Amino acid sequence: DSGVTQTPKHLITATGQRVTLRCSPRSGDLSVYWYQQSLDQGLQFLIQYYNGEERAKGNILERFSAQQFPDLHSELNLSSLELGDSALYFCASSVVGGGETEAFFGQGTRLTVV
Amino acid sequence: EDKVVQSPLSLVVHEGDTVTLNCSYEVTNFRSLLWYKQEKKAPTFLFMLTSSGIEKKSGRLSSILDKKELFSILNITATQTGDSAIYLCAVKHNDMRFGAGTRLTVKP
Repeated sequence: DSGVTQTPKHLITATGQRVTLRCSPRSGDLSVYWYQQSLDQGLQFLIQYYNGEERAKGNILERFSAQQFPDLHSELNLSSLELGDSALYFCASSVVGGGETEAFFGQGTRLTVV
Repeated sequence: EDKVVQSPLSLVVHEGDTVTLNCSYEVTNFRSLLWYKQEKKAPTFLFMLTSSGIEKKSGRLSSILDKKELFSILNITATQTGDSAIYLCAVKHNDMRFGAGTRLTVKP
């Protein structure tokens, strides 16, 4: 168990809908990263937060947004869902944003858009 | 543009073989390179490398970083079927970017 908690584990929703994925980082970790992994694809970096502030942005669609709350948990909001958004969504946390610290992954949320 | 390139993309070996996986990178403000193993679900952390030439070792796995030539290798000796997985390399700079991974299959 990495100590990073993601909920829900599975989510099935219809096209056009909106969902929220939640990530609780390991105790003491200030930074959260979000990744998308489509079938047989690599991990695509979406966005990173550090201590409540957006730190870096990757290939995140405008339909997607995220935030990190004062208690350091983070939420990834996906709206106007399309079939192609079906994927595994992972979050990872580390003590600091960049630098020389390990990052550990949650178990992921499998999103299926039908 | 920042790049993390892993090779080979796929590798099939037999139990007992030794394998070497490669990761090269071009990033600004390099801070560290990390290796992960991904089986069915979440990537699990293997190593973090920050300094050139210092080998990290854990059982049959070892890894080393060359910051001058901008690459790292992950070695697995005496492979077992349980080593079958996707091995991911990530580089931490301002954020953390992954290569496409190497899919390793170890046959009995």
